[in-house]
Amino acid sequence: DADVTQTPRNRITKTGKRIMLECSQTKGHDRMYWYRQDPGLGLRLIYYSFDVKDINKGEISDGYSVSRQAQAKFSLSLESAIPNQTALYFCATSDNTPNTEAFFGQGTRLTVV
Amino acid sequence: KQEVTQIPAALSVPEGENLVLNCSFTDSAIYNLQWFRQDPGKGLTSLLLIQSSQREQTSGRLNASLDKSSGRSTLYIAASQPGDSATYLCAVVSNDYKLSFGAGTTVTVRA
Repeated sequence: DADVTQTPRNRITKTGKRIMLECSQTKGHDRMYWYRQDPGLGLRLIYYSFDVKDINKGEISDGYSVSRQAQAKFSLSLESAIPNQTALYFCATSDNTPNTEAFFGQGTRLTVV
Repeated sequence: KQEVTQIPAALSVPEGENLVLNCSFTDSAIYNLQWFRQDPGKGLTSLLLIQSSQREQTSGRLNASLDKSSGRSTLYIAASQPGDSATYLCAVVSNDYKLSFGAGTTVTVRA
């Protein structure tokens, strides 16, 4: 099993619909992140969480919300999807110690039509 | 706000040539720098992590250097192979524990 699992892997949804992307991890890490990737722009941080009671906005949080249901689970929601939210979304985890690797899920390809 | 830049955006080399990928960042107060590989439509695979106190890190044909004071890292891939074709991403962990990414360098190794 993958250390970081994202579901669904692919999703097509209509404008205005609510959609949730889920992430679960078996690394036992406290820190979890949601990124989106657009061609030529690299990965941009949407939200991050350093423990179950901690939620922080990243650089592009507008139009998104998150929920940290447990240490191992971090969900990203699009309350009312719009076409420019079409992107590849990644969940990542890292340990509390600063000099450890970040681990990424396989990504969710979201298309909003 | 940490800004990470990767140059060049794309690179094409014949098989066997050495690859040199550059990464620069604006805020030198970092914990570490990580290099990732991404195949088309896939997730990120960690290649190397360099701690802020280190100057370089090696794994097989890969060698990454870090000059924190000048805000630069270089990834060297020796004797490139067609299987090295991918996008390579650089990410820095700043003192606020956020990872900031460059846009990546897309490498094509021609057989």
